[in-house]
Formats: sequence, C-alpha cells, structure tokens
Amino acid sequence: DSGVTQTPKHLITATGQRVTLRCSPRSGDLSVYWYQQSLDQGLQFLIQYYNGEERAKGNILERFSAQQFPDLHSELNLSSLELGDSALYFCASSGGGQGAREQYFGPGTRLTVT
Amino acid sequence: DAKTTQPPSMDCAEGRAANLPCNHSTISGNEYVYWYRQIHSQGPQYIIHGLKNNETNEMASLIITEDRKSSTLILPHATLRDTAVYYCIARSGSARQLTFGSGTQLTVLP
Repeated sequence: DSGVTQTPKHLITATGQRVTLRCSPRSGDLSVYWYQQSLDQGLQFLIQYYNGEERAKGNILERFSAQQFPDLHSELNLSSLELGDSALYFCASSGGGQGAREQYFGPGTRLTVT
Repeated sequence: DAKTTQPPSMDCAEGRAANLPCNHSTISGNEYVYWYRQIHSQGPQYIIHGLKNNETNEMASLIITEDRKSSTLILPHATLRDTAVYYCIARSGSARQLTFGSGTQLTVLP
C-alpha cells in the first residue's frame, strides 16, 4: 500500500459526459502528479501540482483540468469525453520540494467511455 | 531526460536472481537512474534509484557502470509476485515528471 488513495476505482460513462477523479496523497506529501495510461500510448504524464499550485504540464488535453485543494487532495476533471479517453488514470505523490524524489502511485481509476 | 533502452521481455526462474539491463548512453551528469515496476495494471511501484554509486535496498540492487551509460537492476531471489513490467527512467534532479518508456516484461517462471 503506497498510501495514495484514488476514487472511484472504476468509472463507466458515455461520450460527451464529464467526470471527476479524486486523489489523496500520502500524508505530508505536497506534490501530486496525474498520469494517463492507455493501451496505445503507455504511461503519460499529464500535470503536477505542488502545494496547491500548478507546477508542470505534460500532454494534458484542453478538455482536462485539475486542481489541488488546501487539504492537498487533488481532482482531475475530464469533460466532453471521447472514446479515446478510456484509460487508467493514476495519481502519484512525492514529498517535500519540487525536484527529483521518488513518486508513490495510487491504485488508479479505470475510466471506460462508451 | 535521457532516452533509455530495455529489452521488451525476459524470463527468470523462481528463486534465481533476475538481472534487468538498461542502456542510457546519453545520460547527463545530473540525471539519476530510477527503476519502477508495474504489476498488471496496478499503480507503478518505486523500486530504487541511483546517481553514480551502486545502491541496495530491501527490494533490489542497482548496479551502474562506471561510465554511467548502462545499469542493471538485480532482484536477488525472484518470486512469482515479481512478474511485472519494469521501467528504467533517467531523470534529472530538476525534472518533475517521470517519463516512462516501454519497459521490460519480466516473467518469473515456477
């Protein structure tokens, strides 16, 4: 158990809909990262938040957004969903500063868009 | 981050050491070598990382060549539960995200 929790575990929704994925980092960790894993793209970094502020952006679509709240949990919002958004979405957290530290991953949310 | 190259798959007998190679010939001086693994759609799991010196923890050992162009992750006594995709990542000290490649599918055979 990494200490990172994600809800829900599974999500099935229709095209055009909007969903919110939630992540609680390990106790004391200030950084939260979101990754997407699809069959054809592998594990890809989406976005990082550090202590409530966005710090790095990867291949995140404009239809996707995220935020980190004062209690340090984070939410990833996916809107106008398309079939291609079906994937595993992982949240990871790391402690302290912004630099290279090991990241601890949650169990993921499996999103299926029908 | 430097590109890493790993064999797509490897087999190992249960109880034997699993040696997973990684090539990172263009690694720069401030880039660390990180290893993660992912067991069948679970979240990736941090294993170990190093810069220059060999490292060992309760999970594995990391051997980095003197020129730092390659490394080997060693699982000393592989078990069936070690069957996973293993990712080798070169990552600078200032980098924020992890850049995952294709990794090596390690299958531990009974």
